[in-house]
Amino acid sequence: DTGVSQDPRHKITKRGQNVTFRCDPISEHNRLYWYRQTLGQGPEFLTYFQNEAQLEKSRLLSDRFSAERPKGSFSTLEIQRTEQGDSAMYLCASSLVNRGRDTEAFFGQGTRLTVV
Amino acid sequence: EDKVVQSPLSLVVHEGDTVTLNCSYEVTNFRSLLWYKQEKKAPTFLFMLTSSGIEKKSGRLSSILDKKELSSILNITATQTGDSAIYLCAVETSGGSQGNLIFGKGTKLSVKP
Repeated sequence: DTGVSQDPRHKITKRGQNVTFRCDPISEHNRLYWYRQTLGQGPEFLTYFQNEAQLEKSRLLSDRFSAERPKGSFSTLEIQRTEQGDSAMYLCASSLVNRGRDTEAFFGQGTRLTVV
Repeated sequence: EDKVVQSPLSLVVHEGDTVTLNCSYEVTNFRSLLWYKQEKKAPTFLFMLTSSGIEKKSGRLSSILDKKELSSILNITATQTGDSAIYLCAVETSGGSQGNLIFGKGTKLSVKP
């Protein structure tokens, strides 16, 4: 396992289009997070999954954003009707949360979205 | 609401200087505090701290947690240009918000030759 993998690495889209990003976590990890990061800022929490269950979604997240993790493995993040303000780096992280075996969160390389 | 605050937000030093980065937190059900280094892409893990007063060290980097003061520091001695990065502090909680992992805004460190 080579770590958390995100695809694509870069995406340029026109305003109003829909985009979908994929994240493949480390295989044994049961927790998966999505973050958004803009230049010079720390990661901003979007949502997270414990196995296939989406347990929390940021109140800052508009209805245009949706995430899934259907089989508790990979996850997708979709943004509908993109706006220029959605331009950012979208980071995925995974961790193992299990009594006595917790790991730190490992990050993917991110998907950089540019909305033109 | 759980929060993590880092200071300073940015810092410019010269090679060879020693720097101290600060992280303070207000959370319920603290589990651990983590430091990450972020260069151009993904944050990479540096330290996880769970016990107060025990220093963790890796080369020129070291970190310590003070649970009484609800804070942690990250020290970098003899800085090099390769240390230029954003340093992120995150706090892991049990049963809290934000997926139980709350990040600060980061400290941007620039090391000049």
